Amino acid sequence: EPEVTQTPSHQVTQMGQEVILRCVPISNHLYFYWYRQILGQKVEFLVSFYNNEISEKSEIFDDQFSVERPDGSNFTLKIRSTKLEDSAMYFCASREQNINTGELFFGEGSRLTVL
Amino acid sequence: AQRVTQPEKLLSVFKGAPVELKCNYSYSGSPELFWYVQYSRQRLQLLLRHISRESIKGFTADLNKGETSFHLKKPFAQEEDSAMYYCALSSGNTGKLIFGQGTTLQVKP
Repeated sequence: EPEVTQTPSHQVTQMGQEVILRCVPISNHLYFYWYRQILGQKVEFLVSFYNNEISEKSEIFDDQFSVERPDGSNFTLKIRSTKLEDSAMYFCASREQNINTGELFFGEGSRLTVL
Repeated sequence: AQRVTQPEKLLSVFKGAPVELKCNYSYSGSPELFWYVQYSRQRLQLLLRHISRESIKGFTADLNKGETSFHLKKPFAQEEDSAMYYCALSSGNTGKLIFGQGTTLQVKP
């Protein structure tokens, strides 16, 4: 069964460093998402991406965040200058073309620790 | 404002007991609601959605628009049901999900 895959599974970085989290969505899916979950808190929406552009972003998704799909397979989340509060689990998700099916398929997550 | 509320952080029951995980929502329009589950060390996965009105692994959930609720129920809990359960609302044209805080279900032997 096809799955969303994410790398790395865990990254430790120093405050101020740039981080890129990578995701390979399911191949025939067209809608892509990033979510984050700070320890002990709820899963929060960051951004959605469709047709090679951001379709919606949350207040959390400020200028230090960016997403791109550089090669038609990978979907990346870049955090330009990490802060301590960026420490969280980051989940990638994708959805097939029919938006009415409703199901998002999630990756296993990338744990980011900012020191 | 669009919001999903799961009032219980932890629900602990004995095997064979009935289970009800509560979920309330706030949404202006026709909501699409889901339950996602996360078993230990596994990814979030869809358990069920209100539109299909199905029963998965013995779980059911009924959308009650009057009470703005979508509670998850199972008549007889099993140990393998122990997991984190998230209620979620599909919002807007992008199909993003808004999650509740999650409820940990612990089924004791």
